[in-house]
Amino acid sequence: AQTVTQSQPEMSVQEAETVTLSCTYDTSESDYYLFWYKQPPSRQMILVIRQEAYKQQNATENRFSVNFQKAAKSFSLKISDSQLGDAAMYFCAYNGAGSYQLTFGKGTKLSVIP
Amino acid sequence: EAGVAQSPRYKIIEKRQSVAFWCNPISGHATLYWYQQILGQGPKLLIQFQNNGVVDDSQLPKDRFSAERLKGVDSTLKIQPAKLEDSAVYLCASSLPGLAASSYEQYFGPGTRLTVT
Repeated sequence: AQTVTQSQPEMSVQEAETVTLSCTYDTSESDYYLFWYKQPPSRQMILVIRQEAYKQQNATENRFSVNFQKAAKSFSLKISDSQLGDAAMYFCAYNGAGSYQLTFGKGTKLSVIP
Repeated sequence: EAGVAQSPRYKIIEKRQSVAFWCNPISGHATLYWYQQILGQGPKLLIQFQNNGVVDDSQLPKDRFSAERLKGVDSTLKIQPAKLEDSAVYLCASSLPGLAASSYEQYFGPGTRLTVT
């Protein structure tokens, strides 16, 4: 079974600074997808970024980028120019190709300090 | 494009009572998921539908939980009878059909916070 580990229960960052959230996963599959989701206090899970395992290039979406290290099974999220609206729980999630079932980590609570 | 709709947003019931949650997925999304999110944890998949058929319900406590997706659109998740440990947020998500990378993206509704007293 696949597992996803987020070792940082809480993180904080100064507004306009950069922060990196860590995620590791365990799988025996070679083809899979990785995601970062954001969950603000409103509870709605919002997709932040997607990474395909077969792509060597790290995904980027505006201020959000990932560092995908397939051999190390590591998938970190970097948030640049942090904004107050980035404060939320961030979940790393794994989806094996063909299964369409997400396995989530326990999340990292990000606080943004004005 | 309208997002995933869920109702109610909040529900408080006593143990042994029954409760039902409703979900309307994004138009055109053939796959629908129900997740349970206990406080301080990531969501856990309860059941997955493809159109109106069940793909996986291996983590659904079938002695008390049931779900259906009539006509392949809306879905209802029911708990009967509820236990204290069922207190959680119940999230509905949907995704496009197919094998493209975008089909692996799940879009979530706002969730229903259930409190069992």
